[in-house]
Amino acid sequence: QKEVEQNSGPLSVPEGAIASLNCTYSDRGSQSFFWYRQYSGKSPELIMFIYSNGDKEDGRFTAQLNKASQYVSLLIRDSQPSDSATYLCAVIANFGNEKLTFGTGTRLTIIP
Amino acid sequence: EAGVTQSPTHLIKTRGQQVTLRCSPISGHTSVYWYQQALGLGLQFLLWYDEGEERNRGNFPPRFSGRQFPNYSSELNVNALELEDSALYLCASRRRDSHGPGTQYFGPGTRLLVL
Repeated sequence: QKEVEQNSGPLSVPEGAIASLNCTYSDRGSQSFFWYRQYSGKSPELIMFIYSNGDKEDGRFTAQLNKASQYVSLLIRDSQPSDSATYLCAVIANFGNEKLTFGTGTRLTIIP
Repeated sequence: EAGVTQSPTHLIKTRGQQVTLRCSPISGHTSVYWYQQALGLGLQFLLWYDEGEERNRGNFPPRFSGRQFPNYSSELNVNALELEDSALYLCASRRRDSHGPGTQYFGPGTRLLVL
């Protein structure tokens, strides 16, 4: 079982709709969760982080964390063509071991 | 505020050669992380340096090594290059007293091609 799993996609969403990206992780003790966006040929760009169960909203983005289900998601409201990218879920197992463990990413395409 | 910088942007080497990649963290950041992103594979953690010390190491052979300088910049060295070392090498930095643990910011990367 991979430590961090994402549906590789591609995920196609019409412009203006909600895009939903999902991620599961295997280490129940994981503490910190991150979503990065990576455009083709570019480096990852941090979108959001979340540490506590529940929802965290930042503009059009909402991260959701459910530690009991070992599940974290990212919702993108009012999707724009510029949101087309690969979205990477990353996890830090504990505060002493600060390596980011990444999923393989979900490729999102917003259809105009 | 300037972001993480890396040099060179691109590099072509042949098998068996050695390469050094460089990274300058965001001002005020003391931790530097190195990741490898090979084609078709996810981002893999290589090394973590903090305050000049190696703090953690990923599942890579010893020919991958590095160091961090007193100004917190860092080098990644790869000896005896193999074809499968062809990848995008990413450096990230974070501030130890940042508002959130593990908030790492990435540089633009160095794309290495081994022929």
